[in-house]
Amino acid sequence: DGGITQSPKYLFRKEGQNVTLSCEQNLNHDAMYWYRQDPGQGLRLIYYSQIVNDFQKGDIAEGYSVSREKKESFPLTVTSAQKNPTAFYLCASSIEGGGGQPQHFGDGTRLSIL
Amino acid sequence: GQNIDQPTEMTATEGAIVQINCTYQTSGFNGLFWYQQHAGEAPTFLSYNVLDGLEEKGRFSSFLSRSKGYSYLLLKELQMKDSASYLCALSNSNYQLIWGAGTKLIIKP
Repeated sequence: DGGITQSPKYLFRKEGQNVTLSCEQNLNHDAMYWYRQDPGQGLRLIYYSQIVNDFQKGDIAEGYSVSREKKESFPLTVTSAQKNPTAFYLCASSIEGGGGQPQHFGDGTRLSIL
Repeated sequence: GQNIDQPTEMTATEGAIVQINCTYQTSGFNGLFWYQQHAGEAPTFLSYNVLDGLEEKGRFSSFLSRSKGYSYLLLKELQMKDSASYLCALSNSNYQLIWGAGTKLIIKP
């Protein structure tokens, strides 16, 4: 069964620590996205990648970093520079990045501060 | 600028019909999506409208009026499992999705 796998489901970060959230897809999709979801707010785009070895900043990229070395993988690192990282993080992919294709989501990672 | 508005919460009765509205303002438009999200889970795709009119998919229908900056999601024969948040998202001139905050739908027996 094709899909998007995010891990871990829950993650705790200590002060000053960087943490990496995993996102893997076997849908053969070109485009991948990272969103942050906070209560009472719409999804906000952190980073997106339309093709392997290329990615662009979204609306709230500060304090985050990504890589796209393989088509199926798009890990997100939450750095210590992100002062308010507690949120639900969602990874998504679409066949292409043209905006007219539906995005398919992973089950999310819930990040909290210790 | 770009802006999307949806009601925060709605309540409906099992077996009834409910309409969830979404209004938007954008400088460029390349389609509007509706997603369903159960609490603590991933959003799942429901519908996509790029032209004016009604798109029907079983119990769910979605309507778009580009001139009015307005869309709605219509859910018929409501079931308890339809209790979820419904997210409206528009594809702008840069082909990025701009998301509404979502409408939490509560179904009562």
